Amino acid sequence: EAGVAQSPRYKIIEKRQSVAFWCNPISGHATLYWYQQILGQGPKLLIQFQNNGVVDDSQLPKDRFSAERLKGVDSTLKIQPAKLEDSAVYLCASSQFSRLRELFFGEGSRLTVL
Amino acid sequence: AQSVTQLDSQVPVFEEAPVELRCNYSSSVSVYLFWYVQYPNQGLQLLLKYLSGSTLVKGINGFEAEFNKSQTSFHLRKPSVHISDTAEYFCAVIMYNNNDMRFGAGTRLTVKP
Repeated sequence: EAGVAQSPRYKIIEKRQSVAFWCNPISGHATLYWYQQILGQGPKLLIQFQNNGVVDDSQLPKDRFSAERLKGVDSTLKIQPAKLEDSAVYLCASSQFSRLRELFFGEGSRLTVL
Repeated sequence: AQSVTQLDSQVPVFEEAPVELRCNYSSSVSVYLFWYVQYPNQGLQLLLKYLSGSTLVKGINGFEAEFNKSQTSFHLRKPSVHISDTAEYFCAVIMYNNNDMRFGAGTRLTVKP
C-alpha cells in the first residue's frame, strides 16, 4: 500500500515569495490534514479536510495561507507571501473516515525562508 | 482546552539500558493518547495508541506505554534500547469529542554505544 506522498521535499525561497506544497493521501482516505512543524516543536494542525470540505481551519493564518482539496483526493497548501517565521516542515497526514484516530503521515516538505 | 507536556526535551541513554519518556496531558474531557516516532528527515510513524480498554499498551519496536488517568500521564517505556531507537518522540492527544490531534514539543532520545 502506497503511503502519503508529498512534494517537494525541500524548498528554499526568499521572504515575500510564494510557495506551494502538494499532498496525495493514501488511497481511500477521506480525511486529510496539513500540519506545520517548526524546529524544536511538535506539529501544529493548520487545516483538516473531510473529502473536499474543510472541517477545521481555525489555526490557518488565512491572510497568507490557503489550502484546497478540490476533488477530495490530493491537496495543495499555498503560502503567499512567505515570512521568515514560516520556515518549517509541512506535514500532510490522512486517515480513513471510519478510523479517524489513526493518522498516517507523509515525509514532509521542508521550507526555508531567507 | 487540551494540552500535552513532554517533561524532557532530551534523553541521552546508553545502549541496552531502559528508558522512560514522560508525557502528561490536561483535558476537561476524556482523551485518546498516542506516541509517534520521527526519524531524521522523515514523517511521523505511530508507535502505539490508547483508545480504551487495558491501560498498558504495547506498540512496535518493543515500546510500551501506560495510561494513568489519575495522574493524567501516558509515559513511554522500553526495557532495552538500541542505537536505532535514536529519534524524536512525540506524545499526542485527541479529545473524545473532536479530531484535533495536539502534539507535545517532543523528546529527543539519543542512544549512545
